[in-house]
Amino acid sequence: AQSVTQPDIHITVSEGASLELRCNYSYGATPYLFWYVQSPGQGLQLLLKYFSGDTLVQGIKGFEAEFKRSQSSFNLRKPSVHWSDAAEYFCAVGANSGYALNFGKGTSLLVTP
Amino acid sequence: DVKVTQSSRYLVKRTGEKVFLECVQDMDHENMFWYRQDPGLGLRLIYFSYDVKMKEKGDIPEGYSVSREKKERFSLILESASTNQTSMYLCASVGGGSRGYTFGSGTRLTVV
Repeated sequence: AQSVTQPDIHITVSEGASLELRCNYSYGATPYLFWYVQSPGQGLQLLLKYFSGDTLVQGIKGFEAEFKRSQSSFNLRKPSVHWSDAAEYFCAVGANSGYALNFGKGTSLLVTP
Repeated sequence: DVKVTQSSRYLVKRTGEKVFLECVQDMDHENMFWYRQDPGLGLRLIYFSYDVKMKEKGDIPEGYSVSREKKERFSLILESASTNQTSMYLCASVGGGSRGYTFGSGTRLTVV
């Protein structure tokens, strides 16, 4: 069965600092991996996804993520955080692009001035 | 722009009521999903559907049922609402050739 672990429940960074959100997955085959962001009171917005090919994927809002098969990880990064990036971030894994996803429990990002 | 629309943003219902949460997508997607979201628990899959009139149980189907009579509409039904079903409910859809889920804005349900 697929599972996703986001080890950090809360992260606080200063505006302008770099950011890395961790995601570890458990899945027997090559997974389909996603990062979503949720602003307060809103639905989830897709930031980026990995299906195959280049292990470094670029997403919207300046985010990127790197798939590392050897570490079963798909960490999300941003070189310089903006106050508007404060939100909840979810990593998700699926067996197929159209199948149900398993989500991590989320990481809440706080951005300080 | 593609859209998944959930009929209500906020809903307050009484214990024992039958509750319908509606979700409509305009992208001709085959696959639709219902998740509930609770603090500290992330998103948990309730039910999903890969085609009209078909449904599959997710991880937490107890107390819920679904209906998919038309491709664009996927309804979540709480047969007899209970306080432990107070939650945020999120609908999502994805097409066969699509490469990412589209989520609705969510329905925050409070059962009193």
